Formats: sequence, C-alpha cells, structure tokens
Amino acid sequence: KQEVTQIPAALSVPEGENLVLNCSFTDSAIYNLQWFRQDPGKGLTSLLLIQSSQREQTSGRLNASLDKSSGRSTLYIAASQPGDSATYLCAVMDDYKLSFGAGTTVTVRA
Amino acid sequence: SQTIHQWPATLVQPVGSPLSLECTVEGTSNPNLYWYRQAAGRGLQLLFYSVGIGQISSEVPQNLSASRPQDRQFILSSKKLLLSDSGFYLCAWSVRLGVNTEAFFGQGTRLTVV
Repeated sequence: KQEVTQIPAALSVPEGENLVLNCSFTDSAIYNLQWFRQDPGKGLTSLLLIQSSQREQTSGRLNASLDKSSGRSTLYIAASQPGDSATYLCAVMDDYKLSFGAGTTVTVRA
Repeated sequence: SQTIHQWPATLVQPVGSPLSLECTVEGTSNPNLYWYRQAAGRGLQLLFYSVGIGQISSEVPQNLSASRPQDRQFILSSKKLLLSDSGFYLCAWSVRLGVNTEAFFGQGTRLTVV
C-alpha cells in the first residue's frame, strides 16, 4: 500500500523567504506526482504535475523535483508572498488513484 | 475546457437521515471519477472510484455508497448518516490512466452530521 508523507506539517516564514516543502512515498511504481494547493474550506487546485520519467517541473515561482528511485519530491516556492499562504498537498498516481499526503500548511507573514 | 461541479457546498444533516451528494463533469468523455473525504487535519481518503457507467469500486467499507448513472455524473449516498460521516467531501475526475493523467477537483461539500 502506498504511503505518502509530507514534512513539515506546518511552516511559517516571513515574506520574501523561499519555501521548501518535502514529500516522500513508499512505492516508486508511480505514473506521476502532483502538487496541489488548498485554501481553507475550498477544493484542490492543481499546481504542478511531474511525470514519472521527469526530474523536475516549473511554473512561475514554483519548481518541483522528483527522485522516483528514492521516493522523494520537493516543492520550491521562490520569494514567498502572503498570498502563498495555504495548505500544499502532494499526491502520487499509481494503478488507478491518487494517494495523498496530509499536507503542509504554509503561513507567509507580511 | 473541462469543468467539475459539486453540490451542495455545505450541508447539515441529523444523524440517521439520508444523504445524496452530486458531482458532474463537463467538457470530457468517459472520465475516471473519484470521491474523496478529508477529515479535519488529515489527508484525503479515497472512498470510491469509477472507470465507467455502473462501475464502482469501494476503497473502504463504510456507511456510504456511490453510483454512476451517467458518464459524467457521480453520486455519493447514504441511507442513514452517522456522526462519523462528518467531513469535507471532494469529487475529482481524470482522464484514462497514464503518465500525463492529471486529477481535477471540485470545490467540495462540507458535511456536518448533528
């Protein structure tokens, strides 16, 4: 059974600092990995998708890396802003479904 | 473009009452459909998934059931709600499985059983 872990559970940084969010998974037989953002009481917004054969994916200030053999992914958010405050979830797609971590709740202080 | 609709946004129901949550997808055909539940402070738990009309797979035994009466419609039901059914329910869809398979989520339904 796939287990996905996200560390840290919560993170508070001053505005402008770079964010590093970690995700690990136990079974490397995945199709891809997705990073999501969730605002309080809202659904999930897809941020980045990394195919299993890719090493990284970038979108604006966001960069996600994937090391499938070691079962790790890292989401980097450059020059954080208060609007980046949210919960970030990683999920791996295997067989037929997404398996999620519990998320990292980020607070960016102005 | 594809969109996913989920309703209602919030729901307060008494213990023992029935439940029906609906999810519809527009702009795509034959999607994979999913129901997830998110308990407070916890990750998302897959409840049901469907790869086609009338095809439902359950991940965990519980007080809930799902149905897919049409290609782009997915319904989550219960005959009698329990307090433990409270949570945030999310519907999602994806295209057929592959390396480019990306999942998209609805805005969720906050269910409180009282």
